[in-house]
Amino acid sequence: AQKITQTQPGMFVQEKEAVTLDCTYDTSDPSYGLFWYKQPSSGEMIFLIYQGSYDQQNATEGRYSLNFQKARKSANLVISASQLGDSAMYFCAMRVWDSSGSARQLTFGSGTQLTVLP
Amino acid sequence: SQTIHQWPATLVQPVGSPLSLECTVEGTSNPNLYWYRQAAGRGLQLLFYSVGIGQISSEVPQNLSASRPQDRQFILSSKKLLLSDSGFYLCAWSLGGLRSPLHFGNGTRLTVT
Repeated sequence: AQKITQTQPGMFVQEKEAVTLDCTYDTSDPSYGLFWYKQPSSGEMIFLIYQGSYDQQNATEGRYSLNFQKARKSANLVISASQLGDSAMYFCAMRVWDSSGSARQLTFGSGTQLTVLP
Repeated sequence: SQTIHQWPATLVQPVGSPLSLECTVEGTSNPNLYWYRQAAGRGLQLLFYSVGIGQISSEVPQNLSASRPQDRQFILSSKKLLLSDSGFYLCAWSLGGLRSPLHFGNGTRLTVT
């Protein structure tokens, strides 16, 4: 069974600085995808970035980048130049492509609450 | 472009009352549809998902049920709510495949009193 672990319940970062949110995962399937979502206090879940297990390059989307270390089974989210609007809960999630050829459902971590300080 | 609508935004219901939450998707055909629940300050728990009309898979046994009467409509129901059903309910859709992200509605905050 797959598992996602986010060990940082809360993080603080100064505005304009970079911050790394940790995510480790566990799966025995070789084919999987990792997702990061942002959940502001309003509650909506916003998709940020995706990394596939066979992708050669680390994913980047604007100020978001994913530090993917396959051997360590980690997929940390890096937010550069933090803004006040980045204050939110951040969730890491994983989907595996199992041996029967189907994609299983997304499994979410417990989340990290990021607070950006002015 | 695709949009997802979920309503109501908030709901306060007494214990033992029925529940019906509705979700519709526009701008795509045959999406995968999902219902998640999020307890306060916690992660997301998958309740139900559907890959087609009338096809519902349940992930967690409970007093909730789901139905997909039309291609882009997903309904979460209960005949009798429990206090433990309180939480934030999120509907989501995705295309099939490994790389497809889930796209979420704005959620329904349910309080069972």
